[in-house]
Amino acid sequence: AQKITQTQPGMFVQEKEAVTLDCTYDTSDQSYGLFWYKQPSSGEMIFLIYQGSYDEQNATEGRYSLNFQKARKSANLVISASQLGDSAMYFCAMTPYPGRDDKIIFGKGTRLHILP
Amino acid sequence: DADVTQTPRNRITKTGKRIMLECSQTKGHDRMYWYRQDPGLGLRLIYYSFDVKDINKGEISDGYSVSRQAQAKFSLSLESAIPNQTALYFCATSKQGYNQPQHFGDGTRLSIL
Repeated sequence: AQKITQTQPGMFVQEKEAVTLDCTYDTSDQSYGLFWYKQPSSGEMIFLIYQGSYDEQNATEGRYSLNFQKARKSANLVISASQLGDSAMYFCAMTPYPGRDDKIIFGKGTRLHILP
Repeated sequence: DADVTQTPRNRITKTGKRIMLECSQTKGHDRMYWYRQDPGLGLRLIYYSFDVKDINKGEISDGYSVSRQAQAKFSLSLESAIPNQTALYFCATSKQGYNQPQHFGDGTRLSIL
């Protein structure tokens, strides 16, 4: 069965520093998708970034990048130059290859606090 | 207007009551999902639907049922609510494909007394 592990329940980071949020996953598939979502205190879920298992380059979206290491089964989110508005819960998620019966799964999340 | 709309946004009810949470979308996506979020447990999938005639159980479907009334509408029912179903519930939609992100509604905060 597939599994997502986020080992950092909470993190405190000084504003303007870079942040790395850890995500490891377990799957027997070769084809899958990896996502990161942000949940501010207001509660909505916001899609941040996607990485496909066959993508050779790490995904980037503005200040967000995904450090994808397929052999290690890790997909860490890197936020450069953190801002106070980055304070939120962050969830890593994995989607299975189409046709598999495996369900889309989320990690338990990491709560990030940016300190002024 | 929101692309994925959940109603109600908040609901407080009593044990044993039947509750329906509704979700509608204007994104034209075939796939719709219901999740619940509990502190420390992340999001857990309750049910998902790939089209009107394709409904599947997720990780925690016991105590819940769903109805896909149309491509744009997906309802979640709690037939006889119990206190441990108190949670934040999310509806989400996506296109087909493992590279497609999910688009979430704003959530329904449900409290069962």
